[in-house]
Amino acid sequence: GNSVTQMEGPVTLSEEAFLTINCTYTATGYPSLFWYVQYPGEGLQLLLKATKADDKGSNKGFEATYRKETTSFHLEKGSVQVSDSAVYFCALFTGGGNKLTFGTGTQLKVEL
Amino acid sequence: EAGVVQSPRYKIIEKKQPVAFWCNPISGHNTLYWYRQNLGQGPELLIRYENEEAVDDSQLPKDRFSAERLKGVDSTLKIQPAELGDSAVYLCASSVSGETQYFGPGTRLLVL
Repeated sequence: GNSVTQMEGPVTLSEEAFLTINCTYTATGYPSLFWYVQYPGEGLQLLLKATKADDKGSNKGFEATYRKETTSFHLEKGSVQVSDSAVYFCALFTGGGNKLTFGTGTQLKVEL
Repeated sequence: EAGVVQSPRYKIIEKKQPVAFWCNPISGHNTLYWYRQNLGQGPELLIRYENEEAVDDSQLPKDRFSAERLKGVDSTLKIQPAELGDSAVYLCASSVSGETQYFGPGTRLLVL
C-alpha cells in the first residue's frame, strides 16, 4: 500500500536558518506529492505540490522537488521566520485510491 | 472565495452521547472528504463523497459512525454513541478534481 515517512520532530531552528524536512514515500503508480502546513488550532493549508518527476513545487519561499529515483520530496526553505512555526505534513495522492495519504507530520519551531 | 466551513469548532461530550459535525464545502466542489486526525498523527480518510454518493467508506466504523451528504452540497458526520477513543480532530475537505484538496478548520472533539 501507499505510505509516507517524514523525519520526526520537533525541529528547532533559529530565525534565518536553513530548513530541510525530509519526506520519502512508497506508492504504486505515479503519485502526486504535496506539502501541507497546519498552524496551531487550524486546519491544513496546501503549501505546495508537484505532479510528476523532477517537478519543483514552490510557495512562500518553500520549495520541494519530486525525486522519483529516491522516492523523496524534501521540503526546504533558505531562511525561516518565527511565523513559519507550524506542523508540516507530506502527502501523496494516487488516482487509483483517489485519496491523500499523509505522513505523521513534523513540528517546526523557529526561535528568535 | 469562501473556504470550507465546519461547525462546531470545539465539542466536549461525555462518552455514550451522540455528536454531529457539519461541513459546507467550497462552492462547485463535487468531492467531499471527512478525515480524522489523532493527536500527533496525520489525517486519515473516513469517507469520500462524489456529489451525494459515498464512493469510499471503507475506513468508516459503521457500527457507530454515519454520514450523509444530501443534495450533494453540505455534509454531516455523526457518532452515536461516542467512545473515549473518538477524541480527535475531524477535518472536512473538498476538491474539484480530487487531487488538490482544501481543508476546513476542523472540529476538535473531546470525549470524557
